[in-house]
Parts: sequence; structure tokens; C-alpha cells
Amino acid sequence: GNSVTQMEGPVTLSEEAFLTINCTYTATGYPSLFWYVQYPGEGLQLLLKATKADDKGSNKGFEATYRKETTSFHLEKGSVQVSDSAVYFCALSHWPGLIFGTGTRLQVFP
Amino acid sequence: DAGVIQSPRHEVTEMGQEVTLRCKPISGHDYLFWYRQTMMRGLELLIYFNNNVPIDDSGMPEDRFSAKMPNASFSTLKIQPSEPRDSAVYFCASSWEGTQPQHFGDGTRLSIL
Repeated sequence: GNSVTQMEGPVTLSEEAFLTINCTYTATGYPSLFWYVQYPGEGLQLLLKATKADDKGSNKGFEATYRKETTSFHLEKGSVQVSDSAVYFCALSHWPGLIFGTGTRLQVFP
Repeated sequence: DAGVIQSPRHEVTEMGQEVTLRCKPISGHDYLFWYRQTMMRGLELLIYFNNNVPIDDSGMPEDRFSAKMPNASFSTLKIQPSEPRDSAVYFCASSWEGTQPQHFGDGTRLSIL
């Protein structure tokens, strides 16, 4: 069945470091892919999305490219800030809702 | 624009009590979803509605759980009787079309003692 696999956390980085959070998926058909972010005490917020192969989603300095050949949607940011500390969820569309990965906690220290 | 609104934000109650969680979706969104988040199981879809009609409740864990959507602007998730293992964060989300990004509320943190 359809599933999403994310790298284990927490990911601990210093401010201005480069971030990669790996996400791979298993799916039939051509799902849309999403990254959501959850700040402490809050709900999930859509960070970026990609709807077809080779699409690049981007927002707030974060990027992810829909790679069909490697079934991946890795999240990257060139220079993280302390305010980026949160839990990040990779998800794919699976009618009618979403299938989420387990989430990766990112901790950024000054 | 108002987002998805959930109430209460926190609920602490004793086992055996009835618990009612409430959700107001974004106006114009035809789909409403209830999720449960726990450390052990992550985010699980419990039930979803389309145009106020429950379509798939296969994720509801037991008969103790029930959900209703009496109109387009209000939904409830009820647990009766509640048990300590129901302790979790419950999220409501809505979208204007099933394949579109879902917008989440801030969740209800439920603790059953």
C-alpha cells in the first residue's frame, strides 16, 4: 500500500547550517507530495507541495523536488534559523486524505 | 481569513466521562477530517466528511468514538466512555477538494486520567 518513510530525528543543527530531511514514498499512481511543519502547541501548517514529477515546491527558503525515479521528496534549506525548530512531516495524497510520515524533529541552536 | 477553529484547546477529564471535541472548518471547504496524533502511532485519520456526510469512518478505533457534522460549519467528535488510552492530540482539518492541501486547526490536547 501507499506509505511515507522519513528519516529519524531529532536533527540537531547550528544556526546557518544546511538542512536536509529525507523522505521517500511508496505509491500507486501519481500522488501529490507535501511537507507540513508543526510548531510546538500548534497544528500542522502546509510548508510546500509538488503535484507532479520534477516539480519543485518552495516556501520560506525551504525546497523539495518531486523525484519519481527515486520516489523521494527530500526537504532542504540552505541556512536554518533557530525559528525553524519544529517537527516536519512529509505526506502524500491518498484519496481522500493524506498519508503522513512519522515526522522529523529539527532543533536549531544559536 | 479565519482558519480551522477547534475547541477546547485542552481537556482533562476522568475515565468514563463523555468527551466532546468541536471543530469549525474554513468556510467553503467541502471536506472535513478528524485525525489523532500520538507518540506511538503518529497521525492517524479517524474519519472524514464530504458535504457534511460521513464517507469513511474506518479509522475510528472503537464504537466508543462517534463523529457528526450537522451543518457545513460545525463538526463534533465524541468519546463515550473515555479511557486513558484515548489521551492524544486530536486535530480537525478541512479542504475545499479532496486532493487539495488540508488546513489544520491547532488541535485539542486530551488527557484522560
